[in-house]
Amino acid sequence: DTAVSQTPKYLVTQMGNDKSIKCEQNLGHDTMYWYKQDSKKFLKIMFSYNNKELIINETVPNRFSPKSPDKAHLNLHINSLELGDSAVYFCASSQRTPPEAFFGQGTRLTVV
Amino acid sequence: SQQGEEDPQALSIQEGENATMNCSYKTSINNLQWYRQNSGRGLVHLILIRSNEREKHSGRLRVTLDTSKKSSSLLITASRAADTASYFCATDPTGANSKLTFGKGITLSVRP
Repeated sequence: DTAVSQTPKYLVTQMGNDKSIKCEQNLGHDTMYWYKQDSKKFLKIMFSYNNKELIINETVPNRFSPKSPDKAHLNLHINSLELGDSAVYFCASSQRTPPEAFFGQGTRLTVV
Repeated sequence: SQQGEEDPQALSIQEGENATMNCSYKTSINNLQWYRQNSGRGLVHLILIRSNEREKHSGRLRVTLDTSKKSSSLLITASRAADTASYFCATDPTGANSKLTFGKGITLSVRP
């Protein structure tokens, strides 16, 4: 069973479109994250949710809106996609103790 | 803001040699973690060291932590070609719930 799964794995779309990436974890973790990894492999935290509540929003444009319907799911919706949004987006989850994060396989978003 | 910074940025060694990677960080932490990322995959947790620990071992991995210098090192002994990957340190800052912050990563190549 996949611990943290995100879909789709690849997403190619045109500028201006709206798209969503879904994430689900079956580990029973309380905390879920979205990270963005750029072409230089720099991994930057975007959002963190704890028990469906937003904990961290790291100066991400308003075009990015996370939604957590329950603590096992954290979806990412992106409006009006821009070229600079092209990156690999990772979902992750963890417990507070121990705080090791489990990552999904990533979604490679390409905006053309 | 970026917390951890690893060095070197890239490391190439022969199979059987040891690989040492360093990480520096800026703020007080609860713990520091190391992750591996194989090409095109998500990150995988390797080892965690708490702020009150100085050294930790796991198989061929040895991690040290010097909180006075705000630095950590990861040693992989008797490297194998399968160790080829990117390695990231991540810090769990004190007073910042659910904000696991990653460095830029080190690309390790192990030549057979």
